[in-house]
Amino acid sequence: NAGVTQTPKFRILKIGQSMTLQCAQDMNHNYMYWYRQDPGMGLKLIYYSVGAGITDKGEVPNGYNVSRSTTEDFPLRLELAAPSQTSVYFCASSPAQGAGEKLFFGSGTQLSVL
Amino acid sequence: AQSVAQPEDQVNVAEGNPLTVKCTYSVSGNPYLFWYVQYPNRGLQFLLKYITGDNLVKGSYGFEAEFNKSQTSFHLKKPSALVSDSALYFCAVRVINSGGGADGLTFGKGTHLIIQP
Repeated sequence: NAGVTQTPKFRILKIGQSMTLQCAQDMNHNYMYWYRQDPGMGLKLIYYSVGAGITDKGEVPNGYNVSRSTTEDFPLRLELAAPSQTSVYFCASSPAQGAGEKLFFGSGTQLSVL
Repeated sequence: AQSVAQPEDQVNVAEGNPLTVKCTYSVSGNPYLFWYVQYPNRGLQFLLKYITGDNLVKGSYGFEAEFNKSQTSFHLKKPSALVSDSALYFCAVRVINSGGGADGLTFGKGTHLIIQP
């Protein structure tokens, strides 16, 4: 009964390094999302996907890339890490994109860029 | 553009007392409103939602929320607070876009709820 699984839980990067945040869900949900959470700022949508092979930008996509080769996986890529990307990142999924659908969240990845 | 405001950064309530966490929204069209809760070092968990119908919505852990269209509010309430209710609470809104689908949720900044024994 895993739900949405994110790895790693914590990571420290140096400026300019790259990394991939992993997200996997086992609920066969078509819709997946990446959010970042900054203190006092709520959650901001980075990218989302409505199904395998389809991705779209959210509110704050700059500096990030995503791919969706399978229904289960939705990795988030940081190519050239910057201090502004220090944040907590949450992956989420939902079975459909109806406005009333609730999201299921992973436990987050805390990223520091120094 | 849609937006959500949570005017209080922190709400302090004594255990056993009623609690209210405030939320107001701004949208074009009919809103779909949600409350999520986040415990320390955890992801967000769904509490309740309003889509249509009865303005008073009941959710998990004894929480409820009242939709008020004229005041564009969706305040979270509980009749008797527990220490275990201490957490970060987020209000969120969604609308149907011009293509008939729904964009991602727009979240408020969150309100820290602290229940004192």
